[in-house]
Amino acid sequence: QKEVEQDPGPLSVPEGAIVSLNCTYSNSAFQYFMWYRQYSRKGPELLMYTYSSGNKEDGRFTAQVDKSSKYISLFIRDSQPSDSATYLCAAGETGGFKTIFGAGTRLFVKA
Amino acid sequence: GAVVSQHPSRVICKSGTSVKIECRSLDFQATTMFWYRQFPKKSLMLMATSNEGSKATYEQGVEKDKFLINHASLTLSTLTVTSAHPEDSSFYICSAEPRDRGSEKLFFGSGTQLSVL
Repeated sequence: QKEVEQDPGPLSVPEGAIVSLNCTYSNSAFQYFMWYRQYSRKGPELLMYTYSSGNKEDGRFTAQVDKSSKYISLFIRDSQPSDSATYLCAAGETGGFKTIFGAGTRLFVKA
Repeated sequence: GAVVSQHPSRVICKSGTSVKIECRSLDFQATTMFWYRQFPKKSLMLMATSNEGSKATYEQGVEKDKFLINHASLTLSTLTVTSAHPEDSSFYICSAEPRDRGSEKLFFGSGTQLSVL
């Protein structure tokens, strides 16, 4: 079992839809969680960072962490064609341990 | 946000030559930098962890003599693909861990597409 599981998609939605991207993880010691956006042939860009459980909102993006179920979510409201990219979830332990990445979900937002 | 510069963005080379890729943190000092390899439509595969002033730590299955890493300063790490072969063709990405911002947030370079003929 991979430490961070993520459905690779692709996920195709119409413009304006609410997008829900999800990951599960197996290591209960994970304390921090991140979402990255990666456009084709570019490096990943940090979108959201969350420490421990809870919600975090930034504009059209909301990240949720439920440590009891080991579930990580990213919601995108009013999705735009420019949101079309691969979204990578990541998690890790504090104290200098490696960050573990999910496989990435490819999202297509159709105009 | 923190900026990581990676060069070159694209390189085409002949089989048997060596290629150097640079990763620089522009507005912060990076205690640790990471090098990844990414195949099309696949996630990041960590190759090695580079710590300033010490030898890199390589992941299992990654040839350290093939992929030479030098982290000479707190703002620069280089990856040299030695005697490159077509199977080394891939997208290589670096990331840097800011020294003063905690150990979790990683900032990535823009990647280098290596094509070995």
